[in-house]
Amino acid sequence: DSGVTQTPKHLITATGQRVTLRCSPRSGDLSVYWYQQSLDQGLQFLIQYYNGEERAKGNILERFSAQQFPDLHSELNLSSLELGDSALYFCASSVIAQGVLDEQFFGPGTRLTVL
Amino acid sequence: GQQVMQIPQYQHVQEGEDFTTYCNSSTTLSNIQWYKQRPGGHPVFLIQLVKSGEVKKQKRLTFQFGEAKKNSSLHITATQTTDVGTYFCAGPPRTDKLIFGTGTRLQVFP
Repeated sequence: DSGVTQTPKHLITATGQRVTLRCSPRSGDLSVYWYQQSLDQGLQFLIQYYNGEERAKGNILERFSAQQFPDLHSELNLSSLELGDSALYFCASSVIAQGVLDEQFFGPGTRLTVL
Repeated sequence: GQQVMQIPQYQHVQEGEDFTTYCNSSTTLSNIQWYKQRPGGHPVFLIQLVKSGEVKKQKRLTFQFGEAKKNSSLHITATQTTDVGTYFCAGPPRTDKLIFGTGTRLQVFP
């Protein structure tokens, strides 16, 4: 158990819909990262937040947005869903802002299926 | 854009055989991290290498960071069935994004 929690575990929805994925980082970690992993694919970095502020952006679509709240939990919002958005979405956390120099602790992931 | 490739994509070995995965970046990396993802699981951090030419060992696993800091390798001696999973390298170029490699899926047959 990494200490990072993600809800829900599974999500099945239809094209055009909007969903919200939730992540709670490890206690004490200020940085949260979101990744997308499609079937048999690698991990695509989406976005990073540090202490409530956006710090780095990766290949995140305009239909996707995220935020980190004062209690440090984060939400990833996916809208106008398409079939190709079906994937595993991982949240990870690390201790400090620079993050990339630190090990990242991954949550169990949310499996999104768009029908 | 920045790319981190790993070879091979898949490797099937008999238990007891050695295994090596190679990681190559199109740009210089400030450090390299290695993660293991078991089937159905999430990535788990294994190790981080920072210095050029650095070699680190963890029991049967040996990690190496290239002199030019553009490549890395993970070698497992005498594989066991518990080694099954996908191994990812990941490195930040001179920005603040962690770029994950394409991964090598290891299957170990008893």
